Amino acid sequence: AQTVTQSQPEMSVQEAETVTLSCTYDTSENNYYLFWYKQPPSRQMILVIRQEAYKQQNATENRFSVNFQKAAKSFSLKISDSQLGDTAMYFCAFVTSNTDKLIFGTGTRLQVFP
Amino acid sequence: SAVISQKPSRDICQRGTSLTIQCQVDSQVTMMFWYRQQPGQSLTLIATANQGSEATYESGFVIDKFPISRPNLTFSTLTVSNMSPEDSSIYLCSVEVRGAAGNTIYFGEGSWLTVV
Repeated sequence: AQTVTQSQPEMSVQEAETVTLSCTYDTSENNYYLFWYKQPPSRQMILVIRQEAYKQQNATENRFSVNFQKAAKSFSLKISDSQLGDTAMYFCAFVTSNTDKLIFGTGTRLQVFP
Repeated sequence: SAVISQKPSRDICQRGTSLTIQCQVDSQVTMMFWYRQQPGQSLTLIATANQGSEATYESGFVIDKFPISRPNLTFSTLTVSNMSPEDSSIYLCSVEVRGAAGNTIYFGEGSWLTVV
């Protein structure tokens, strides 16, 4: 079975600090893509960052970076210099090249406070 | 990337009625999907919208309840039929974009339906 586990239902961080959201997944496929999506109160799903499983180099997008450990099937998201606008639900997900269907975790609610 | 527009963004619906949600993409895409997000939950895939043929539904979702159209590569509709309060959810359209760097999946703004 293909699953995504986000073990932190809620996290909080002070503005300008760094926070890491954890994600583990399970798949028997070798070719897949991993994603972090942000869902603010507006409910729109916004792509934060993506990682190709065949790449060893961790993806980075401005203040957002990932720690991808393929052998451990771990895909954590690090947010540096947290901003109030980062307050949202964060979903980890992956899709395999075979199915094209996103498998989602249950989400982590991140609160950034001043 | 892809820009995806969904209509309506929000609606309050009467029990027993049906509502059609539209999804428009700014470029041709092969794969389009419809997801449901119930209050406080993660996303669940309803179906894959296939251009020119019947949609492929996931377990627990049926065509009579969630008919889907996909007349071309940029547009799809999802109808929620004979609504009950349990259908109160956010419905999201998504597309898969295949580029040189691989696959990326984008979402529309979502349609927030409340059934009363």
